[in-house]
Amino acid sequence: RKEVEQDPGPFNVPEGATVAFNCTYSNSASQSFFWYRQDCRKEPKLLMSVYSSGNEDGRFTAQLNRASQYISLLIRDSKLSDSATYLCVVNAYQAGTALIFGKGTTLSVSS
Amino acid sequence: NAGVTQTPKFQVLKTGQSMTLQCAQDMNHEYMSWYRQDPGMGLRLIHYSVGAGITDQGEVPNGYNVSRSTTEDFPLRLLSAAPSQTSVYFCASSPGPNTEAFFGQGTRLTVV
Repeated sequence: RKEVEQDPGPFNVPEGATVAFNCTYSNSASQSFFWYRQDCRKEPKLLMSVYSSGNEDGRFTAQLNRASQYISLLIRDSKLSDSATYLCVVNAYQAGTALIFGKGTTLSVSS
Repeated sequence: NAGVTQTPKFQVLKTGQSMTLQCAQDMNHEYMSWYRQDPGMGLRLIHYSVGAGITDQGEVPNGYNVSRSTTEDFPLRLLSAAPSQTSVYFCASSPGPNTEAFFGQGTRLTVV
C-alpha cells in the first residue's frame, strides 16, 4: 500500500464551485500533515498545515481524521487561479525527518 | 530573502557522464532533502540530511550520492547518468522534524 494516496482527478469545475479532495495515509505514527500546491513546472508550495481540530484559511478548509488516517481539503467559491495540482503530504519518514507526498490531485477551474 | 537556491535550472547530460546538482539554503535549517518528480509518480525522496555530516537514503537512492559538509549546502551527485534519471529534481529544507519544507525552483535534467 502506498504511504499517501490521493485521487489523481482531474477535477474540472466551474468558477464558484465547491470542490473537495481526499487523501489517506498508511503510517499511523505520522505526526504532521500538510497540503501543498504545485503549479505547472513550478516547485511545491505550502498551502496549509492540517490539524486534528480542523483549520480554515479563507476559502480553504482542511480536516484530519487520525482514527481513519484520512485528510481532506475543501475549496469553496473556486477561482480560476485555484487551478493547480494539490499535493497531500505527510511528515512520516524516519520520525518526521522528511516529507512523503501523494501523487497529487489536479484541479482545473473554468469560467 | 533567497530561501532555497538550486543550480543549474536546466541540464542535458550524455549517458555515463557525472555531474553535481547544487542546493543551498540561507535559512539555517538543519533538515534538507532531495526529491525527484516524474510524470505519474509524484515526488519521491532520494536522500535526506538532518544536519551537517549526517545523511541517509530515501525511497530511490540508487545512482545518487550526497554529502553535507555545511548547514547551508546539500549537493546531489549523479555518478554515471542514465536515461532513467531524466527527471525534475527538487531540493527542500525545513527547520526541524515534523515541520513544513521549503523548496527550491527545481533542476530539469535530461539524460540522452
